[in-house]
Amino acid sequence: DAGVIQSPRHEVTEMGQEVTLRCKPISGHNSLFWYRQTMMRGLELLIYFNNNVPIDDSGMPEDRFSAKMPNASFSTLKIQPSEPRDSAVYFCASSLGLQDGDTQYFGPGTRLTVL
Amino acid sequence: ILNVEQSPQSLHVQEGDSTNFTCSFPSSNFYALHWYRWETAKSPEALFVMTLNGDEKKKGRISATLNTKEGYSYLYIKGSQPEDSATYLCAFNPNTGNQFYFGTGTSLTVIP
Repeated sequence: DAGVIQSPRHEVTEMGQEVTLRCKPISGHNSLFWYRQTMMRGLELLIYFNNNVPIDDSGMPEDRFSAKMPNASFSTLKIQPSEPRDSAVYFCASSLGLQDGDTQYFGPGTRLTVL
Repeated sequence: ILNVEQSPQSLHVQEGDSTNFTCSFPSSNFYALHWYRWETAKSPEALFVMTLNGDEKKKGRISATLNTKEGYSYLYIKGSQPEDSATYLCAFNPNTGNQFYFGTGTSLTVIP
């Protein structure tokens, strides 16, 4: 398997623009997680899905952030409008999701820079 | 917000030295504790998942122990090599769901 795939790997945009990050989980995995990594706070969970249904979105910073999982093989994280403080590396991870504690496998991340 | 702490924040050791670092997590609602290895410019890679108090896991020169009653886990590296240089993350998984709470990591540099 190719592992978790994220695109783009790097994104540079201007404040106010819409940004869409994409993730393809490992085939057969039922849970998908979006994380944000910053110097100050480390890895923060933004939202996670189980069987395409959002389970916990309490980590989503504010209404400018939204995430969808229209099917088992694709998820998006959208920021609209983007702000400079959104600059970070965004990771997607997936797990089998058959039980709590299943190992999460991470994608390569998207480095977002908002100017 | 659950507090997961790792110490030290960073560590420099000579090649061949053995080293260890700590992950502290809430002792209540425990389900699992995960260790990840994270090399610069790559993504975190799973090392161990630990679920039982007293668990000890080993992979080559790296091992980990778990104490769920007091809420800590140790990661040990025996005979450190330059390729062990990375950030080591622990993640606490409570029994309230599938979410992980990550520590901020211990950055290890092994000097040849």
